[in-house]
Amino acid sequence: SYELTQPLSVSVALGQTARITCGGNNIGSKNVHWYQQKPGQAPVLVIYRDSNRPSGIPERFSGSNSGNTATLTISRAQAGDEADYYCQVWDSSSVVFGGGTKLTVL
Amino acid sequence: EVQLVESGGGLVQPGRSLRLSCAASGFTFDDYAMHWVRQAPGKGLEWVSGISWNSGSIGYADSVKGRFTISRDNAKNSLYLQMNSLRAEDTALYYCAKDKRTQLYENDAFDIWGQGTMVTVSS
Repeated sequence: SYELTQPLSVSVALGQTARITCGGNNIGSKNVHWYQQKPGQAPVLVIYRDSNRPSGIPERFSGSNSGNTATLTISRAQAGDEADYYCQVWDSSSVVFGGGTKLTVL
Repeated sequence: EVQLVESGGGLVQPGRSLRLSCAASGFTFDDYAMHWVRQAPGKGLEWVSGISWNSGSIGYADSVKGRFTISRDNAKNSLYLQMNSLRAEDTALYYCAKDKRTQLYENDAFDIWGQGTMVTVSS
């Protein structure tokens, strides 16, 4: 079965740029979606189809996908961006989520 | 306001059954595929099942295939998950989520999520 690999944790200084990776075999050929989940809350879609932002998501959130790695980039990180982030793809008629990355803003 | 509200969770003994419901509002329910996603305590997200707009296409995770049944009633704007032969490893918060597309397997994202209903399987 297809696997998505995310780092367990990423730290970023306030106001700097955070990059969260999602690794998978030839993931560049798939549509990658990203979700933000804050403690005690439901997930929120922040990037869909590699690089598209839903309405209401700040421009600071962006995404890219190529080769074996997709990346969620959060520019000018804010304290409110602290959360778990999950990547997601479809593979063989099933949905696959990455294990999640905890983003800490220092 | 676009909203999904889950209900039906609770404490259930291993081997027993439970039926979850998800009430949708604020959007045209029968225009979209729908899904159930679960999250065990302290763990990540796991897709459970999905259903196309007209129930013509249905999919399940291997972990629940043969035990869980997804269904929808477009007239009632509702999504359901019938869970049979429950196991301890089914203990999780179960989310209802809206697909951006009408059909299943169109490789798109889940753009609206409910707050979840907790299922605990324990004797």
